[in-house]
Amino acid sequence: AQKITQTQPGMFVQEKEAVTLDCTYDTSDQSYGLFWYKQPSSGEMIFLIYQGSYDEQNATEGRYSLNFQKARKSANLVISASQLGDSAMYFCAMREARSGGSNYKLTFGKGTLLTVNP
Amino acid sequence: ETGVTQTPRHLVMGMTNKKSLKCEQHLGHNAMYWYKQSAKKPLELMFVYSLEERVENNSVPSRFSPECPNSSHLFLHLHTLQPEDSALYLCASSLLGGTSWDTQYFGPGTRLTVL
Repeated sequence: AQKITQTQPGMFVQEKEAVTLDCTYDTSDQSYGLFWYKQPSSGEMIFLIYQGSYDEQNATEGRYSLNFQKARKSANLVISASQLGDSAMYFCAMREARSGGSNYKLTFGKGTLLTVNP
Repeated sequence: ETGVTQTPRHLVMGMTNKKSLKCEQHLGHNAMYWYKQSAKKPLELMFVYSLEERVENNSVPSRFSPECPNSSHLFLHLHTLQPEDSALYLCASSLLGGTSWDTQYFGPGTRLTVL
């Protein structure tokens, strides 16, 4: 089973509108971190936002917010007031804190390609 | 320079060549990572170094040889590669034991083409 599922291969949004990118995850750990990265066509993976599993409040970082629903195992990224420069690939990732196994690994989803239209 | 830098940004090599990728982090981090990103595949973790010691080798073929001489520098030595090794190679660093769930910060990547 996939650990990180991003069901939207591609999304379109009008400039200045908000958009939600979906991410669901699968883990049996109680302690884990969830991350979102942006990858423009240039290739660099840019860190956007993270959420710890014990954080009670949803993370926010400027125009980015993470809609964390622990019971549903979802960690959707919300981008408000989209800009043309937001057009990129967006990846959801998870780091688990299990003992006895790899706790360095970030597991990535397959990504969602966001296109912002003028 | 700030953040994580990688050189070269683009590399074309033949299957018999030997080349090296370089990564440098200016963030004061104590862990460094190599990832491979092939077309239409999720990122794959290749190697992890923590405090200059290799702590993870994710079943990577021996034609890829990492080196971490200090906490700021990471190399990936390449020899006798195959065309299927063509990919974007990303370096990342993080501060293990800190807050923010050891967030990994990535460099711009090296786009490798093996002929």
